Amino acid sequence: EDQVTQSPEALRLQEGESSSLNCSYTVSGLRGLFWYRQDPGKGPEFLFTLYSAGEEKEKERLKATLTKKESFLHITAPKPEDSATYLCAVQARGYSTLTFGKGTMLLVSP
Amino acid sequence: DAGVIQSPRHEVTEMGQEVTLRCKPISGHNSLFWYRQTMMRGLELLIYFNNNVPIDDSGMPEDRFSAKMPNASFSTLKIQPSEPRDSAVYFCASSLGGRGSPLHFGNGTRLTVT
Repeated sequence: EDQVTQSPEALRLQEGESSSLNCSYTVSGLRGLFWYRQDPGKGPEFLFTLYSAGEEKEKERLKATLTKKESFLHITAPKPEDSATYLCAVQARGYSTLTFGKGTMLLVSP
Repeated sequence: DAGVIQSPRHEVTEMGQEVTLRCKPISGHNSLFWYRQTMMRGLELLIYFNNNVPIDDSGMPEDRFSAKMPNASFSTLKIQPSEPRDSAVYFCASSLGGRGSPLHFGNGTRLTVT
């Protein structure tokens, strides 16, 4: 059974204080690892897809990296508008569905 | 592109009543997913359709839950009879399908069963 574990559950940062969120996974053949952002009262919003170990993707202050067992979402010099819950999900080989972790709730204070 | 559209946004009902949630996927997407989100369990897949055909319904909790996709632009999730433990946010998502295709989510229906 595919499993995704995210840590920490919650993270509080000061504006400008860089940090990383962790996503550990077990999957029967990784087809893709996805990062989403979810704001209160909204659906998850797609950020990145990573396919293989060593791959990195960037978007503004966010950078996602992937190894064979985990992924990291690095947040550089965060701003209050980066406050949200960040979700990690895996897609197994041969499937289109995603298995999600429970997310990391990030709060960035000014 | 209007995105995935779900209705209603909020639903409050009494135990035992029938509840119908509705979803309009993004035009051109051939895969549709229903997920349920709770604090305890996070996002859980309920059912997945491809080209309007149910492919994986292993996440549907029990026979009280049913889903249909009569055409490429509409899907429903029905709960009959509803129970308090069904209270959650229900999300519909669609995608182009295939490797790496991201799911695009609607803003969900918050269901409260009293």
